[in-house]
Amino acid sequence: AQKVTQAQTEISVVEKEDVTLDCVYETRDTTYYLFWYKQPPSGELVFLIRRNSFDEQNEISGRYSWNFQKSTSSFNFTITASQVVDSAVYFCALSDPWTTNDYKLSFGAGTTVTVRA
Amino acid sequence: GAVVSQHPSRVICKSGTSVKIECRSLDFQATTMFWYRQFPKQSLMLMATSNEGSKATYEQGVEKDKFLINHASLTLSTLTVTSAHPEDSSFYICSARDTQGAGRWNEQFFGPGTRLTVL
Repeated sequence: AQKVTQAQTEISVVEKEDVTLDCVYETRDTTYYLFWYKQPPSGELVFLIRRNSFDEQNEISGRYSWNFQKSTSSFNFTITASQVVDSAVYFCALSDPWTTNDYKLSFGAGTTVTVRA
Repeated sequence: GAVVSQHPSRVICKSGTSVKIECRSLDFQATTMFWYRQFPKQSLMLMATSNEGSKATYEQGVEKDKFLINHASLTLSTLTVTSAHPEDSSFYICSARDTQGAGRWNEQFFGPGTRLTVL
């Protein structure tokens, strides 16, 4: 079963528009960790955020914000006032070490964001 | 801090040859490193978990004799693709877990990746 689902394959927006990326996860652990990564065309993964399952506070970092809803097993990511430099593939990932007995990450399929000038 | 390097960044080889990829944690110790493979326009797929001083744990469907992993020190893990074929062409990414850094014990730090092309 897919542990992390990113239903949106591609999103295209015009600069300055907001864009929200959906992430739905599945785990039986009560303690787990969620991540978002950005992968620009260069290929190197850029860490954006880590959230543990006990911290349901939403977070804002500049133009980025995250909405964690345990009730719906979702951890959505919003880019406000998008810029061309935001164009990349964004991955949501889950670490549930008590199930896997390890800290390996399960990645979603990724969402390709294209911001047009 | 928390920098992971990979070498080489890009390699082109002939079919049948073996290729070694190095993954180093530059400023922290990593008892656990992970190797991922990413095909074009796809997600990262975990290949194996590499633990310092012990045998690697391979994910289902990954041939251990094809992808040899050695984690001989706390800062270095190597992935050797043996007898490479065109279907092994992919982007290989390693990550390292900082087991001692305060507040970072469950984070993985990713290397920049190695693009392998087998002709």
